[in-house]
Amino acid sequence: RKEVEQDPGPFNVPEGATVAFNCTYSNSASQSFFWYRQDCRKEPKLLMSVYSSGNEDGRFTAQLNRASQYISLLIRDSKLSDSATYLCVVRNNAGNMLTFGGGTRLMVKP
Amino acid sequence: DAGITQSPRHKVTETGTPVTLRCHQTENHRYMYWYRQDPGHGLRLIHYSYGVKDTDKGEVSDGYSVSRSKTEDFLLTLESATSSQTSVYFCAISDDRGRGNTEAFFGQGTRLTVV
Repeated sequence: RKEVEQDPGPFNVPEGATVAFNCTYSNSASQSFFWYRQDCRKEPKLLMSVYSSGNEDGRFTAQLNRASQYISLLIRDSKLSDSATYLCVVRNNAGNMLTFGGGTRLMVKP
Repeated sequence: DAGITQSPRHKVTETGTPVTLRCHQTENHRYMYWYRQDPGHGLRLIHYSYGVKDTDKGEVSDGYSVSRSKTEDFLLTLESATSSQTSVYFCAISDDRGRGNTEAFFGQGTRLTVV
């Protein structure tokens, strides 16, 4: 079983739709969690950190469920520019290593 | 954008030749990482460093070695390149202030093709 698992998609949604991605992780002692965005043939960039209480940044909402060991990302009012691959990332309990999920591809269409 | 550069950006090399990729940072971050990214596997950690001359193996370290003689430079060497090492290689840096949510910044990647 992979340490961090995501549905690879693609998720094809129309503009304005709400879309949600989940990610599960296997190490219950994991320290912190992130969502990264990666555009085609580019480097990953931080989208948002995920806090235990849940957090929101504009149209994006991240949630963490430690009991069930999953994190989620909700995107409201999808834009064409949201088309990308979204990577779930987990930092280990020692704080020195990041483990990436395989990514979920989102395609927003007009 | 974080000051992190990778060189070369693209390289084609022959099987059996040695290859060295360079990652250079201007952020004075403690941690540096090398990842490879392949279809179906996502980003996988090759090696990482937590200080000058302090390195450790990641998930897919076989066939790779690293060196960090200065804070700003982290080198990845393929001693004898194989076709299975054709990939996109990303360097990342991270500070160690992170109680928790310290992010990692990535370089633009190196596309390596071994023929």
